[in-house]
Amino acid sequence: NAGVMQNPRHLVRRRGQEARLRCSPMKGHSHVYWYRQLPEEGLKFMVYLQKENIIDESGMPKERFSAEFPKEGPSILRIQQVVRGDSAAYFCASSPEMGRYEQYFGPGTRLTVT
Amino acid sequence: QQPVQSPQAVILREGEDAVINCSSSKALYSVHWYRQKHGEAPIFLMILLKGGEQKGHDKISASFNEKKQQSSLYLTASQLSYSGTYFCGTESGDYKLSFGAGTTVTVRA
Repeated sequence: NAGVMQNPRHLVRRRGQEARLRCSPMKGHSHVYWYRQLPEEGLKFMVYLQKENIIDESGMPKERFSAEFPKEGPSILRIQQVVRGDSAAYFCASSPEMGRYEQYFGPGTRLTVT
Repeated sequence: QQPVQSPQAVILREGEDAVINCSSSKALYSVHWYRQKHGEAPIFLMILLKGGEQKGHDKISASFNEKKQQSSLYLTASQLSYSGTYFCGTESGDYKLSFGAGTTVTVRA
């Protein structure tokens, strides 16, 4: 009964490189949310996806950030040309369908930009 | 707009009780409570829905006042394992959660 899986758990990138973060939802879940957490702060919503569809990306920076959830495979959060300010923990959560259901979180990817 | 949590931090001895409050300036459809330990994923505690009743889980329970746009989390007879940062996530009809800044709970023996 695997939970939400994220990889890598830790990622170090130099400024200007690309970061790809992966999230596999819980079995039976078709909705994925991405959140960003800065040290000692709460979680900030970034994007809400279902398979092959972006439902809400209002929390995503307009430039350099993109997300997808293909029909097959994990959801991917992509950050191009990373800057120091992108350093944070990125969590994904999944829920079974659209609606007011609990969201289960993965262990997170800690991105460090040097 | 993110909800406001209070207090920011609380220190308890084992067996003591605590209340964490969460209030929003927007109408709420649901409130979600999570606990996060340092360096780990947030763990789901409970969800309260508009029109729903107070919920409980072991010695942790919560209430939701829709009219006041507030929720409270009650820690009863706290245990060492209750230590962590508690977050409320509020939802206002669009299924995405806005999280408060968190309340750090420290339970001492």
